[in-house]
Amino acid sequence: EDQVTQSPEALRLQEGESSSLNCSYTVSGLRGLFWYRQDPGKGPEFLFTLYSAGEEKEKERLKATLTKKESFLHITAPKPEDSATYLCAVQAFSGSARQLTFGSGTQLTVLP
Amino acid sequence: DTGVSQDPRHKITKRGQNVTFRCDPISEHNRLYWYRQTLGQGPEFLTYFQNEAQLEKSRLLSDRFSAERPKGSFSTLEIQRTEQGDSAMYLCASSPPVGGAFSGANVLTFGAGSRLTVL
Repeated sequence: EDQVTQSPEALRLQEGESSSLNCSYTVSGLRGLFWYRQDPGKGPEFLFTLYSAGEEKEKERLKATLTKKESFLHITAPKPEDSATYLCAVQAFSGSARQLTFGSGTQLTVLP
Repeated sequence: DTGVSQDPRHKITKRGQNVTFRCDPISEHNRLYWYRQTLGQGPEFLTYFQNEAQLEKSRLLSDRFSAERPKGSFSTLEIQRTEQGDSAMYLCASSPPVGGAFSGANVLTFGAGSRLTVL
């Protein structure tokens, strides 16, 4: 069974204080690893897809990296508007549905 | 296209009542998913449609739940005889057609969700 574990559960940062979020996964053949952002009362918003170990992707203050066992979401010089829950999910090669298996998320709060 | 639309956004009902949620996916997307999310947890897969065919159902989808996607366009999720444990956010997502079995990952686009509160 595919599993995704995210840490920490919650993270409070001062504006400008860089940090990283962790996503550990076990999957029977990784088709892709996804990062989503979710604001309160809204659906998840797509950020990145990573396909293979060593891959990196960047968007503004966010950078996602992937190894064979985990992914990191690095946040550089965060701003209060980066406050949200960040969800990690995996998509496996098995099955035709290609559904995502999500972790429980990291709730990030950036204080001004 | 305005993305994935869900209706209603909020529903409060009494235990034992039936409720129905509607999802309008992105028009070019033939794949449609329903997920359930409870407070502090990530979304959990419920069911999947390819065009009008329901091809996969999670064991989370009890026999009180039924989903349809007539004509391969919008979808409905009905919960009969609601229980307090059904209180959650119900998320719909859609994705475009994909290539073969070993083609790349496909991105799911989520709607804003329908929040259900069962009293």
